[in-house]
Amino acid sequence: SQQGEEDPQALSIQEGENATMNCSYKTSINNLQWYRQNSGRGLVHLILIRSNEREKHSGRLRVTLDTSKKSSSLLITASRAADTASYFCATGAGSYQLTFGKGTKLSVIP
Amino acid sequence: DSGVTQTPKHLITATGQRVTLRCSPRSGDLSVYWYQQSLDQGLQFLIQYYNGEERAKGNILERFSAQQFPDLHSELNLSSLELGDSALYFCASSGTSGSEVLFFGPGTRLTVL
Repeated sequence: SQQGEEDPQALSIQEGENATMNCSYKTSINNLQWYRQNSGRGLVHLILIRSNEREKHSGRLRVTLDTSKKSSSLLITASRAADTASYFCATGAGSYQLTFGKGTKLSVIP
Repeated sequence: DSGVTQTPKHLITATGQRVTLRCSPRSGDLSVYWYQQSLDQGLQFLIQYYNGEERAKGNILERFSAQQFPDLHSELNLSSLELGDSALYFCASSGTSGSEVLFFGPGTRLTVL
């Protein structure tokens, strides 16, 4: 069963705009991670935020975590055509494996 | 390049057949995870091995089995294949058994005809 649910399922923006994706989950977590997948390729880790953190930055990425609402958001600023990919949130709890959502498909139009 | 290798890249086979997918984790990683990605089910966790031992089991069918060898490479065996088993199968590795960062291989695309 899926733990994380990304929203929206698909997002289309112009190059240079910001892209925001949301993730909601159901149970307590130790950390939440975001991964990117280019079409048909392996997933690539982007950023990890722990349950005691509220915000984290990495380059053009900004992730927030609200454990009271069991939700997270990923913001990509000044998007580029190369950012076109599917983005997945994944939740981790203790020694259990990561559980992935179904992803948001981002299209950045040049 | 994540450092995780998977073979083969593509596999086309018929219903009822048996196939073996192979994965080599990143150097030094003890944990290997297998995931199945299909259009309708998303990314589903199948099974995890840690240093040769099964650590966690997810939505893995009884027709599927896996093992991790002493050199830490892993194999996923899929038998009595059905059309619905067509999917991308990913292997991932990590340095710990806990839910930290996973490094994914490029995947094996399985097509069952």
